[in-house]
Amino acid sequence: GNSVTQMEGPVTLSEEAFLTINCTYTATGYPSLFWYVQYPGEGLQLLLKATKADDKGSNKGFEATYRKETTSFHLEKGSVQVSDSAVYFCALTPYNQGGKLIFGQGTELSVKP
Amino acid sequence: GAVVSQHPSWVICKSGTSVKIECRSLDFQATTMFWYRQFPKQSLMLMATSNEGSKATYEQGVEKDKFLINHASLTLSTLTVTSAHPEDSSFYICSARDPWVGNTEAFFGQGTRLTVV
Repeated sequence: GNSVTQMEGPVTLSEEAFLTINCTYTATGYPSLFWYVQYPGEGLQLLLKATKADDKGSNKGFEATYRKETTSFHLEKGSVQVSDSAVYFCALTPYNQGGKLIFGQGTELSVKP
Repeated sequence: GAVVSQHPSWVICKSGTSVKIECRSLDFQATTMFWYRQFPKQSLMLMATSNEGSKATYEQGVEKDKFLINHASLTLSTLTVTSAHPEDSSFYICSARDPWVGNTEAFFGQGTRLTVV
């Protein structure tokens, strides 16, 4: 079946630190991969996506590369800000099931000044 | 980008009553919408896929008689929690797929926080 596994949180960093949130997946075929962000009390916002192997998604300084050989889609940012504090969800859409999302468990990020 | 609106954003109801949540695609026609449930500090679990003009497809373990889904038009899907109980208290989020914006991306509503007392 399809599943997504993320590193457990919470992750606490100081401002300007380097961020990595690991994400691995299990899927048949070629899924599309996403990172979503959820700020406190709000819905989900798409952060970035990649639809095929070796694609790199990027947005707001965040990056993730679709690695088929390691079935991974790790999220990185070179210098985090306090405003990046949120919960981050890795997710996949199975091949040919556009719109349907399988989510990882979420990783809470807290950035201290 | 495409906009999905969910209403209400929060609701408190008495145990045993039913609650309807609406999900609307404001600037596109959504043939498919999705309903998710999120418990505090947990991930989103897909409950069902709502298809315009046909019956919803429920995920394993989701009671279809408890969570009624109707997708009567291309811009509106509704989720009705019937005979709600405190354990149904949760954050419910819908998403909709715009078929003209690629095959993969879905757009989320802002969510509905349901509290059953």
